[in-house]
Parts: sequence; C-alpha cells; structure tokens
Amino acid sequence: DTGVSQDPRHKITKRGQNVTFRCDPISEHNRLYWYRQTLGQGPEFLTYFQNEAQLEKSRLLSDRFSAERPKGSFSTLEIQRTEQGDSAMYLCASTGDTRFYEQYFGPGTRLTVT
Amino acid sequence: SQQGEEDPQALSIQEGENATMNCSYKTSINNLQWYRQNSGRGLVHLILIRSNEREKHSGRLRVTLDTSKKSSSLLITASRAADTASYFCATTTFSGSARQLTFGSGTQLTVLP
Repeated sequence: DTGVSQDPRHKITKRGQNVTFRCDPISEHNRLYWYRQTLGQGPEFLTYFQNEAQLEKSRLLSDRFSAERPKGSFSTLEIQRTEQGDSAMYLCASTGDTRFYEQYFGPGTRLTVT
Repeated sequence: SQQGEEDPQALSIQEGENATMNCSYKTSINNLQWYRQNSGRGLVHLILIRSNEREKHSGRLRVTLDTSKKSSSLLITASRAADTASYFCATTTFSGSARQLTFGSGTQLTVLP
C-alpha cells in the first residue's frame, strides 16, 4: 500500500499524559499537513511542512502541541499534558509539487482522552 | 473556523436515486474540492473545480460552481449503497506558503438498499 499511513489508529489516554502520533506520507510527496476533526465537523488545519521545514501553524496548535518532520519524510505530532478537549481524530495528508491542490489523507488517529 | 457550510446536514435516499448536496463559502477562492469520508476513516478526494469553471463531471459525479453566489453543488447520480458516507466541500486558502484546505461541516449521505 503506497498511500498515507498513520499510527496508531486509536489511542486512549488519561488526562495529563503525553501522546505521540506518526504519519508516513506518500514517498514522493514533499508537503505534509496535519488536521484535527471533531465529531460531526469537517477537518481543521493544524500545521504544514514543506520537506522538513514547518512553515505554517494554526492558532489551534497550542503550546502543548508540537510537530516535527526531521528528515522530510515521516512526521510526528505530540500532545503534551492531554486534556479532554483534545479528543478528536487527527488526520495527516500529503501532496506533491504536481496537482498540489489534491491532498491525500491517511486513515487518521482517533484520540480519546479520559 | 469552517469556511463552508453544507446543506443538508443529512440526506437519506433510496438506491438508484440522485443525491444533491450544496456548499456555501465565505471568501474568494481559487478552487473548490469535494471529499468523501467513510465512517471513521480518512478523506478521499473526489473532484476539483476551479474558480473559472462552472460545471465539471467525473463518472457519476457532477459539480457546479457559482462564484457570484459563493456556492457549489455536488450531484451523485444513480446512487449506490457504497456511496453512503460524509461529503465535504473544501476551499483552498493560502496561509503563507501553505495551501491549506478549509472544510465545511459536511453532509451525511445514507443510501438505502
């Protein structure tokens, strides 16, 4: 399967714990996006990487959130001191230099904070 | 914040019928896309229409765009049970260098066999 993959698919954690999610984009894609989606809503943009550089961050990305893409390939999203309001689906998407408007999404990581 | 609003929020039809869902947006756009999301899964790109286009077809999908009204519609003809999913419109906005997608709240389509 050469699509976007995300790991884990589900994560249940207790409030106050730290969690880390991983995204592996399509191999030739140099642009990577993170979105958050809550129940009944569309995804909301969190952050954007071009290669290894994090170029944009949404105001939704509080200080407890950090994202990295160290070698311009996979990316990680870490949430520190999780809160119940962090419960959501975290989606990763990638795109290349051609047809760059069309984003390819991974299956998402569903986070539940208890 | 959500750029677009889909209408209706939920739609239930019989297999074989056509399904129409609408999307309204607020700001000027370069293009508008429609994505499908099966329950609990990631999104799949369906079709893109540019701001200078009025109508586009792809298989059983027909998209229209009215930039004067800031609205778009997605028509799925001869629906199948497998079309059951949430459908989102998304506009491309530019935040610095990021071509981020701004999604509406979606229409939940149920196609009954």
